[in-house]
Amino acid sequence: GESVGLHLPTLSVQEGDNSIINCAYSNSASDYFIWYKQESGKGPQFIIDIRSNMDKRQGQRVTVLLNKTVKHLSLQIAATQPGDSAVYFCAENIGPGGGADGLTFGKGTHLIIQP
Amino acid sequence: NAGVTQTPKFQVLKTGQSMTLQCAQDMNHNSMYWYRQDPGMGLRLIYYSASEGTTDKGEVPNGYNVSRLNKREFSLRLESAAPSQTSVYFCASRRQGVGSPLHFGNGTRLTVT
Repeated sequence: GESVGLHLPTLSVQEGDNSIINCAYSNSASDYFIWYKQESGKGPQFIIDIRSNMDKRQGQRVTVLLNKTVKHLSLQIAATQPGDSAVYFCAENIGPGGGADGLTFGKGTHLIIQP
Repeated sequence: NAGVTQTPKFQVLKTGQSMTLQCAQDMNHNSMYWYRQDPGMGLRLIYYSASEGTTDKGEVPNGYNVSRLNKREFSLRLESAAPSQTSVYFCASRRQGVGSPLHFGNGTRLTVT
């Protein structure tokens, strides 16, 4: 899962297995959550999002689960492929409205796919 | 659609030099942002523009200025570069409102010697 510090936590999985990446958020007022994927040398790429009135949302090969009771967010990637190798991080939007108010990013988890 | 385009991709500056990082988006988004990304620090917001004609400070604005030139373009200026500004800079944009993800450019890698 995500944590502070100079070194990103690393998750190593076998190709074809499912991956689960975790994120703990701190503010119970957060009402919108986003998962991003960042490959080396590129900008963060939007994967999937979820609003606080939902506890699960599915995309293509990805599922996001939200547990508001324990302020926990997870990203599940099915049948992991080599192209899934990247840093994944979550972001939370605190409060209503648009603009920059309260969009906070986690530090990231490095997903490594073993052949 | 190109999405969010940043120039230059790489830049090396000497301490005290100035430069402007350019950003343009073609998604008709209202809000634009500048972040810096440093190892172990994650993405930190420098400045943002909620809509054309407005700009506001983010978490780490010192040493930077911005200009929202029009709805498409948002530039970041370093007036007197310092080694502490060595970083990767990302521009992002989104529609206004909750439920709208940020879309990022591919970054400018800046080294200040």
